[in-house]
Amino acid sequence: GQQVMQIPQYQHVQEGEDFTTYCNSSTTLSNIQWYKQRPGGHPVFLIQLVKSGEVKKQKRLTFQFGEAKKNSSLHITATQTTDVGTYFCAGGTSYGKLTFGQGTILTVHP
Amino acid sequence: GAGVSQSPRYKVAKRGQDVALRCDPISGHVSLFWYQQALGQGPEFLTYFQNEAQLDKSGLPSDRFFAERPEGSVSTLKIQRTQQEDSAVYLCASSSPRTTSGGPGDTQYFGPGTRLTVL
Repeated sequence: GQQVMQIPQYQHVQEGEDFTTYCNSSTTLSNIQWYKQRPGGHPVFLIQLVKSGEVKKQKRLTFQFGEAKKNSSLHITATQTTDVGTYFCAGGTSYGKLTFGQGTILTVHP
Repeated sequence: GAGVSQSPRYKVAKRGQDVALRCDPISGHVSLFWYQQALGQGPEFLTYFQNEAQLDKSGLPSDRFFAERPEGSVSTLKIQRTQQEDSAVYLCASSSPRTTSGGPGDTQYFGPGTRLTVL
């Protein structure tokens, strides 16, 4: 079945540094979605990418979808303490079923 | 309500007990998903409903797990004869308004989850 791998597992940064997490799928994806989960919370939708090579930005967050639609990345510029949490990518199927990566836990030191 | 709600928020069960977890999706949402999230892991798909029809149950780990959505709204995930390995957070998510048939990439809205601990 479809597998989604995400690296790194942990990332510790100083406030103001940049952060990137990478996602790779064993199969071509219909779409990829990114979620953020705060400690003790539930996944919150950030964005969806559908097109090959697509790049989307949300303020300090930049999301990319690979040309082959098998990999994706999330880059945060100038991290803030409010960025703390676990970032998950999830590969989507034609009807919406999501296969999540293991997540990257981001800690930001002030 | 404004979002997906789940109850109970916390459940402690003795090994061998049956449990029932409830999900109230966003009103009008056609699609409903159940996921299991073990500590330190990403959510793993359990099952999917479109209205009252259970279209995919490939993620249910064993025949002890059963889910239903009889009227196409509220859903219940039942676990029979709970085992310690069932301890996890069970997340429910709903998506797509009733006016569309649903499709790839509809935003899924997650509930707060039920944390199940089996002793």
